[in-house]
Amino acid sequence: QSALTQPPSVSGSPGQSVTISCTGTSSDVGSYNRVSWYQQSPGTAPKLIIYEVTSRPSGVPDRFSGSRSGNTASLTFSGLQAEDEADYYCSSYTSSGSYVFGTGTKVTVL
Amino acid sequence: QVQLQQSGPGLVKPSQTLSLTCAISGDSVSTNSATWNWIRQSPSRGLEWLGRTYYRSKWYNEYAVSVKSRITINPDTSKNQFSLQLNSVTPEDTAVYYCARNNNWSFDYWGQGTLVTVSS
Repeated sequence: QSALTQPPSVSGSPGQSVTISCTGTSSDVGSYNRVSWYQQSPGTAPKLIIYEVTSRPSGVPDRFSGSRSGNTASLTFSGLQAEDEADYYCSSYTSSGSYVFGTGTKVTVL
Repeated sequence: QVQLQQSGPGLVKPSQTLSLTCAISGDSVSTNSATWNWIRQSPSRGLEWLGRTYYRSKWYNEYAVSVKSRITINPDTSKNQFSLQLNSVTPEDTAVYYCARNNNWSFDYWGQGTLVTVSS
């Protein structure tokens, strides 16, 4: 199972809108509403911020939103903040019953 | 609040067995609504799902193809925990290992991570 493809890095100024893409196949991202997104700061475990493509866990700011079109899922920051600087990973359930993660994107706040 | 506490050695010799344990509080390893997973992370392989154990009237274990011949994940209901064993390790198995709960097809609670180095 190949990793989902994400851009290595994205950057933006505070308050700017930024989007990270996550491209898979019809066997994972394109098949199920089972895409999730994680935020990881250095030395810590990943933290769930989006599940089932568009849903936010309790306590996650509403400036984070998720969407999907075909085999590509996206995570959008509506109003980037300094504390959003971290690594972000997508994940999807697959048709073989396993899970696959994205390659990761480093978000830099300018 | 669910908490996962990992334990196990941080150094394993090549060809030996890597063993980690994940103790659960705030939930049950026998729950019918979640699965219990092991995931690892390394610079070369990124985040990699290794496998899971879960109870749905009986116990199930499912493993990633990449490690299927070497891995065992076991629940321990008496201690409310689950374990990972990875046999015949090589330096390529050096990584930070995480346990995690999966609910709603996402990993909502994670252990603190254990850096396991494979070296003689």
